[in-house]
Parts: sequence; C-alpha cells; structure tokens
Amino acid sequence: EVQLVQSGAEVKKPGESLKISCKGSGYSFTSNWIGWVRQMPGKGLEWMGIIYPGDSDTRYSPSFQGQVTISADKSINTAYLQWSSLKASDTAMYYCARQTAATSPPSDPWGQGTLVTVSS
Amino acid sequence: EIVMTQSPATLSVSPGERATLSCRASQSVSSNLAWYQQKPGQAPRLLIYGASLRATGIPARFSGSGSGTEFTLTISSLQSEDFAVYYCQQYNNWRITFGQGTRLEIK
Repeated sequence: EVQLVQSGAEVKKPGESLKISCKGSGYSFTSNWIGWVRQMPGKGLEWMGIIYPGDSDTRYSPSFQGQVTISADKSINTAYLQWSSLKASDTAMYYCARQTAATSPPSDPWGQGTLVTVSS
Repeated sequence: EIVMTQSPATLSVSPGERATLSCRASQSVSSNLAWYQQKPGQAPRLLIYGASLRATGIPARFSGSGSGTEFTLTISSLQSEDFAVYYCQQYNNWRITFGQGTRLEIK
C-alpha cells in the first residue's frame, strides 16, 4: 500500500526556521518524484515544486523559488520542505504527493498535510 | 507560467442533477489536464487525468472532456458526497499549475 506520512503541525514565530517531512512507503521512493503543494487558509491549491529522490533533481515554481528549499534523504525514504526565515504569510497547510514523472499529475494518496502556523 | 481559469467560482445544483464545471488554460496543454476533488479537512483526491481518464476507484458519473485550452468536468447525477471543491490542474510541463477552484454546493 502506497503511503505518504507527513510530520505533525507546527507553530512558529516569524523569523524562525522550519523543516517539515514526508515519508514514503509501499513504492520505489527513488524512482518517483515528490511534489509539495501549499494551501493557505480558505484558499486554493498552489504547486510549489518537486524533487526526484533518486538523484536529488529539484525544481521550483517561480513563485516559490528562493522562498523554500526542497530536499530528500533517500536512505530513509523521506522528503523535506524547509524555510530559513518564516513569515506570517507562510501560514498554510502543506501537502506532499507522489508524481510518477515530472510531467505527471500528483497521484493518490497524498500526504495527510502539515499545518504550519506562523504567529508572533 | 500557464494560467488555469475555472468557472464558475460557485455552482449550486440539486442532488440528482447534472453539474458541468469548466477550466480554461492560457495556452495549449494538450490533454495533460487533471481534476481533483477536495472536501473540508481532507487532502485533494485525483478524479481525472489525461483530460478524460478516470483515476482508480472513481465512479463512472464523473467524466472529463476537452483538449488544448478548454476542458470540462461533468458529474452526471450528483450524490450528496459530491458536494466539494473541484480543481483543475495542468501538467503539460513540470511547472504544474492549478485553477482557483469551483465550489459545488447543494441547491
């Protein structure tokens, strides 16, 4: 059974750093892409970027380039999304999802989501 | 970046009736178009990919059509569990983009 399990909710202050995770199981982690999707409160879905854990090929949406870092540790089948200095506008639910190719749609199941709250 | 525009923003339909949702791309995406359903508090679920192919386990009342820049998701006979937000998404290149969503509500 394919599963993506994300790390738990986080509450941070502006300026703090954060790294959230997405652990894949039930499929070949190194032969599939992992994408990240943001959903701000009450808003729609925004695709942030993808990583191919097999060789760490990483690509970002122009809207998120330079704002976040996507990485992966293939030894533990885990992808990461990190911020060096959080802003209040980073408050959102973040989902990870598997893509069989860089040009394929994120397929089910997605991760359960990680809620990030940034507030002073 | 390819911009995806969905219409209408909100659609009110009675159970048992047909719902038709539209999605337009700012440039051709061929058939590289997917539809997702999202219910409150849940992750999105893939319904349609390749513009018209149903994902695993998706009921036959969901159908997709279109190619190029114009796409449609049709739900033939609405069930109570179908009232949700629907997003289209293009994956013609690796810079995936979503539409802003259509909220399907009970009339």
